[in-house]
Amino acid sequence: GNSVTQMEGPVTLSEEAFLTINCTYTATGYPSLFWYVQYPGEGLQLLLKATKADDKGSNKGFEATYRKETTSFHLEKGSVQVSDSAVYFCALSPSSQGGSEKLVFGKGTKLTVNP
Amino acid sequence: EAGVTQSPTHLIKTRGQQATLRCSPISGHTSVYWYQQALGLGLQFLLWYDEGEERNRGNFPPRFSGRQFPNYSSELNVNALELEDSALYLCASSLGYEQYFGPGTRLTVT
Repeated sequence: GNSVTQMEGPVTLSEEAFLTINCTYTATGYPSLFWYVQYPGEGLQLLLKATKADDKGSNKGFEATYRKETTSFHLEKGSVQVSDSAVYFCALSPSSQGGSEKLVFGKGTKLTVNP
Repeated sequence: EAGVTQSPTHLIKTRGQQATLRCSPISGHTSVYWYQQALGLGLQFLLWYDEGEERNRGNFPPRFSGRQFPNYSSELNVNALELEDSALYLCASSLGYEQYFGPGTRLTVT
């Protein structure tokens, strides 16, 4: 079946530090991959996405590359800010062909950035 | 463009009661998804509606049910509430593979 494994948190960093949150997946076929962010007390916001191998998703200084050979989609940011403190979820959708499918989520990684 | 909206924001019920949660998708989106985010359990898929029909269901008991209306809005009903139903319930809508989430309804069962 489909599953997502992401690094356990919490992760605590100082402002301007480099961030990596690891995410690996198991899926049949060619899934689409996503990172969502959840700020305290809010719902999920789509942060970035990639729909095929070697695609790089990027947004707000965050990046993730779809690596089919390692079945990974690690999230990175070169210099984190206090405002990046949130919970980050890696997710996959089994379909990359435009069909609607449920999302399969990792357990989430809580990031705290200290000034 | 208005995003996904959910109501109510908070809901407090006692064990054994019924809860009704509502979701309005982004205009033009025909699919609505429901997810449960319970403490320590992550995000679990509940239900998927598309064009008024239930398309898929997660591993939840039948007392979790819902429907989708002709205007694509959706309702999630939880009958015979149990303490472990306390969670944030998130609704998402989509037109393709990308899902957009609402702010959620926080259900507390006492």
